[in-house]
Amino acid sequence: GAGVSQTPSNKVTEKGKYVELRCDPISGHTALYWYRQSLGQGPEFLIYFQGTGAADDSGLPNDRFFAVRPEGSVSTLKIQRTERGDSAVYLCASSPAAGTDTQYFGPGTRLTVL
Amino acid sequence: AQSVTQPDIHITVSEGASLELRCNYSYGATPYLFWYVQSPGQGLQLLLKYFSGDTLVQGIKGFEAEFKRSQSSFNLRKPSVHWSDAAEYFCVGGGGGGNKLTFGTGTQLKVEL
Repeated sequence: GAGVSQTPSNKVTEKGKYVELRCDPISGHTALYWYRQSLGQGPEFLIYFQGTGAADDSGLPNDRFFAVRPEGSVSTLKIQRTERGDSAVYLCASSPAAGTDTQYFGPGTRLTVL
Repeated sequence: AQSVTQPDIHITVSEGASLELRCNYSYGATPYLFWYVQSPGQGLQLLLKYFSGDTLVQGIKGFEAEFKRSQSSFNLRKPSVHWSDAAEYFCVGGGGGGNKLTFGTGTQLKVEL
């Protein structure tokens, strides 16, 4: 079956602009996660959804970052007033349920803020 | 705070040689531990995972890892490396049900032919 997909694969924007990054999880997976991977680093947790609700958003760096999952499937990560430090690869993962299930990762969206 | 440490940033091995990638964890309770591999242009792929039980875990592509509580380690091993194993390897910890994964900084593996 299809894996986790993310669009766009690359996004270049200017400082101060608003961007949206989309994640389509594996069909039927109820848990969805966002991570951010800066150059030379391991991915860092941002937020996790169980169904439609954000169960843990403790990794969001500040209030410019927001994520939604209105129907419990597709999720959108939204970044307002982008800064150069937001440049990174944003990874999405899904799992059948929260807990010990394996997280399956998408290919990521590379965000570049000029 | 929960943390995962990979002390080796880069490792180079010859094809056919054995491999061991080091990982140490710091968790209050027994963590869930994983090894993921990331190849250029590819997404993160799970190699193996440890939740409980047998401390020697077998994974895909001939990899295995051993959980050693006394040493707080979860090292990844492979008896004979193939050129296609060149990639970045992440040791990952999950706690509290594994919802939030904590990644190490990664070890970049280079395989010499």
